[in-house]
Amino acid sequence: SYEVTQPPSVSVSPGQTARITCSGDALPNHYAYWYQQKAGQAPVVLIYKDTERPSGIPERFSGSSSGTTVTLTISGVQAEDEADYFCQSADSSGTWVFGGGTKLTVL
Amino acid sequence: QVQLQESGPGLVKPSGTLSLTCAVSIGSISGSNWWSWVRQPPGKGLEWIGEIFHSGSTNYNPSLKSRVTISVDKSKNHFSLKLRSVTAADTAVYHCARRGPYYDSSGSYLKVLDYWGQGTLVTVSS
Repeated sequence: SYEVTQPPSVSVSPGQTARITCSGDALPNHYAYWYQQKAGQAPVVLIYKDTERPSGIPERFSGSSSGTTVTLTISGVQAEDEADYFCQSADSSGTWVFGGGTKLTVL
Repeated sequence: QVQLQESGPGLVKPSGTLSLTCAVSIGSISGSNWWSWVRQPPGKGLEWIGEIFHSGSTNYNPSLKSRVTISVDKSKNHFSLKLRSVTAADTAVYHCARRGPYYDSSGSYLKVLDYWGQGTLVTVSS
C-alpha cells in the first residue's frame, strides 16, 4: 500500500527554523496537508493544499512542495511548538494517507 | 464553532464489534461537509477509516472496508462507526472529524479535516 514517509524526530533550539519533510511518489499529483498534535489533544490543521494556511494559524508555519517531497517549515520556533506533526495526502485511488508523524523537540 | 464528541465503550472483546458515535454540536450534520473517522494506535501514526455525507454516501479505506460501516442520523445530528471482527490491532484512539469547506481553483473538494473530536481510546482485549 502507498505510504508517505516522515522523519521520526526533529530537534531545534528556540528561535531557530525547523523543517519537517514528507516524501511520497504520489505527492506531485495530490495535495499535502499538515497537522499539529500536542500531547493529549486533537490534531489541528496547519497547512492545506501544500502551501495554504488556515485563518488563525501563525505565519511562522509555512508549507512548500518540490517533486515527491513536501516540507513544513516552522520559523522562529517557540517552546509551544513542541508537538507531533503529521503530513497527509492521498494515493492514486484517492484514499487518504497519513505519514507516521514527526516529533518536534524544542531544546 | 463546530464541536465533535466521540462516545462508546472503551473495551471490546476480540472478534466483537466496535461501535462509536460522534455527536456534532454547534453546527448541522446536514450541511455541505463530509464527516470522517480517523484512528491512532498508541504511539503510532494516524489512519483514515472512512467518511460519510448526510445523504448516506460513504467512502472507506480499502484496508478496512470489509469490516467497517459508517452511518448518519440526521435527527440526532450524529454519525456512527461500526468495526466488526476486531483484534488487538484495532486498539487505538478513535477520532471523529469534519472535512472542512476547502476547495481548489477548479472546484475540487479538498481532503482536509478542520475540526476534530478529542478522541476516545478503545481497547480490544478479553
